[in-house]
Amino acid sequence: DIQMTQSPSTLSASVGDRVTITCRASQSISSWLAWYQQKPGKAPKLLIYKASSLESGVPSRFSGSGSGTEFTLTISSLQPDDFATYYCQQYNSYTWTFGQGTKVEIK
Amino acid sequence: QVQLVESGGGVVQPGRSLRLSCAASGFTFSSYAMHWVRQAPGKGLEWVAVISYDGSNKYYADSVKGRFTISRDNSKNTLYLQMNSLRAEDTAVYYCARGRQQWLVVHDAFDIWGQGTMVTVSS
Repeated sequence: DIQMTQSPSTLSASVGDRVTITCRASQSISSWLAWYQQKPGKAPKLLIYKASSLESGVPSRFSGSGSGTEFTLTISSLQPDDFATYYCQQYNSYTWTFGQGTKVEIK
Repeated sequence: QVQLVESGGGVVQPGRSLRLSCAASGFTFSSYAMHWVRQAPGKGLEWVAVISYDGSNKYYADSVKGRFTISRDNSKNTLYLQMNSLRAEDTAVYYCARGRQQWLVVHDAFDIWGQGTMVTVSS
């Protein structure tokens, strides 16, 4: 099975900061990677699909990049609504795997 | 309004069974693959199972293979998860989610999620 590893596990940042989260796959997944945002007690929300495509309605401050085994999610200017946990997900095969999550906290 | 609403969760003893439902509305349910994803308390997300738009193809995580069965009734716009031989480690919030693109099963992210239903396996 493909394993997904996110770093860091926790990130402390301030409003206005540029934030980058990394996700590594245990084998190549081409560009079959998504990013989700989850707030406490809520369902995940799709932000990015196919590594770099912005889901409709998602603010343009979110962007994704990478291919193969290394991927990043960048928030260009952190907003109060962005404090949440972020998950990457690979969908290269007939199993779907999530990273362990990155919690973005207020500094 | 595109919506998924799960139901059927609750407290169940180890070894017993439970069936979850997910009612879809606001879109052509029969055109999309559907997934179950779970989240244990305080933990991350774990994909559980997927069913193709027409129900002909199903895939499972190793952790539930042989115990859980995913199914759908396109005439009722409803997705199901039959969970047998439940274990304590199956305790989680269970979400249903829609594949983003019509007809696809593989190579697809999840764009619509339900609010989740809690399953607690405990004696």
